[in-house]
Amino acid sequence: QKEVEQNSGPLSVPEGAIASLNCTYSDRGSQSFFWYRQYSGKSPELIMSIYSNGDKEDGRFTAQLNKASQYVSLLIRDSQPSDSATYLCAPLSGGSYIPTFGRGTSLIVHP
Amino acid sequence: GAVVSQHPSRVICKSGTSVKIECRSLDFQATTMFWYRQFPKQSLMLMATSNEGSKATYEQGVEKDKFLINHASLTLSTLTVTSAHPEDSSFYICSARSGVGTDTQYFGPGTRLTVL
Repeated sequence: QKEVEQNSGPLSVPEGAIASLNCTYSDRGSQSFFWYRQYSGKSPELIMSIYSNGDKEDGRFTAQLNKASQYVSLLIRDSQPSDSATYLCAPLSGGSYIPTFGRGTSLIVHP
Repeated sequence: GAVVSQHPSRVICKSGTSVKIECRSLDFQATTMFWYRQFPKQSLMLMATSNEGSKATYEQGVEKDKFLINHASLTLSTLTVTSAHPEDSSFYICSARSGVGTDTQYFGPGTRLTVL
């Protein structure tokens, strides 16, 4: 059973702060990792993907991956109220190429 | 990024009727499409995976005779909820992956089904 664990939150941060979202996964065979953002009542949209250990930056977003610890995180710098959403972590197994979604972390950025 | 559309965006039907949901990849050929269901405040639940031209692979607990999936072309997959009941009311979301040099999947906007 492949498991993806995320703190459901809500994680509340003030506008302009750094939001840190964490995810652990059980499948050591996972090779690709995706972060999706889902606004209430909408479908998920891709934020970032990461494949190698270390950091990957894209604008205000930084994904961090540590395969040895089976841990992936997403940092959002200069958080904005528009970042308020649920963030889904989705590791993808190299064998099945089917991602496993976590329950998501609800982020609230307050002015 | 790649664009995936779904139609209809919202549907209300009577119990016992069948509802068809279409999922289209607009600017790429989708070798694989996924169908998810999401209940309020819960995570995405994968229902089935379909590859163009072959039968869909259903996840455990998903009735294949109730949720009919057809992936007849590289740009279109359909999900038909047969003999819908109120407990089938949910948010149905498709996603598509080109499978050519990428393992990224892109989501459609979703279809909200309400069965009265």
